[in-house]
Amino acid sequence: NAGVMQNPRHLVRRRGQEARLRCSPMKGHSHVYWYRQLPEEGLKFMVYLQKENIIDESGMPKERFSAEFPKEGPSILRIQQVVRGDSAAYFCASSARLATQIYNEQFFGPGTRLTVL
Amino acid sequence: AQKITQTQPGMFVQEKEAVTLDCTYDTSDQSYGLFWYKQPSSGEMIFLIYQGSYDEQNATEGRYSLNFQKARKSANLVISASQLGDSAMYFCAMREGRFSDYKLSFGAGTTVTVRA
Repeated sequence: NAGVMQNPRHLVRRRGQEARLRCSPMKGHSHVYWYRQLPEEGLKFMVYLQKENIIDESGMPKERFSAEFPKEGPSILRIQQVVRGDSAAYFCASSARLATQIYNEQFFGPGTRLTVL
Repeated sequence: AQKITQTQPGMFVQEKEAVTLDCTYDTSDQSYGLFWYKQPSSGEMIFLIYQGSYDEQNATEGRYSLNFQKARKSANLVISASQLGDSAMYFCAMREGRFSDYKLSFGAGTTVTVRA
């Protein structure tokens, strides 16, 4: 059973370019979360999606950032016109909501390290 | 206000000794969950241990145990018999709301270096 997959693992972009980060959740998981880790900091929640729906995007910057989780295919975090401050590790996590679970653990992917030159 | 505070930016521990990583949290919810994750130099986030706010016993998972003191709002991680492979960054995290499985709030992390 494959874990959460993210690609690319490393992404280099020049200022002004677009960055697309992909996340394939674990099999059977329909809940996806994106987190950002700035250098020397902990992870910060960005957005929570279910299939075709954005549930909570309270942690997403209002401009240039968008996320989607289509019916088919991976979740995509898109950053338009990247700036140096976007350089960070971006983690995706997934979970399965089971009514019988006492707690729901988020399984993290390996992350995408974005470097903006 | 910071929801999770980890006051130790870095720690050194001798191999085979125990180490305690501090974590305090801030919430007004009665129901919440506390997590510890390990991030080795390779960068992935590895789940270690979970403690629910209503759990009466401290959580344990192998060499990891969580010292949960609810009144003090602390959830310290204890790693016993440290190994060289334990060298990593450790993050404390909290999820507020028992059946809500999103929006983990993370602390800034503690770097642990295990010496041979």
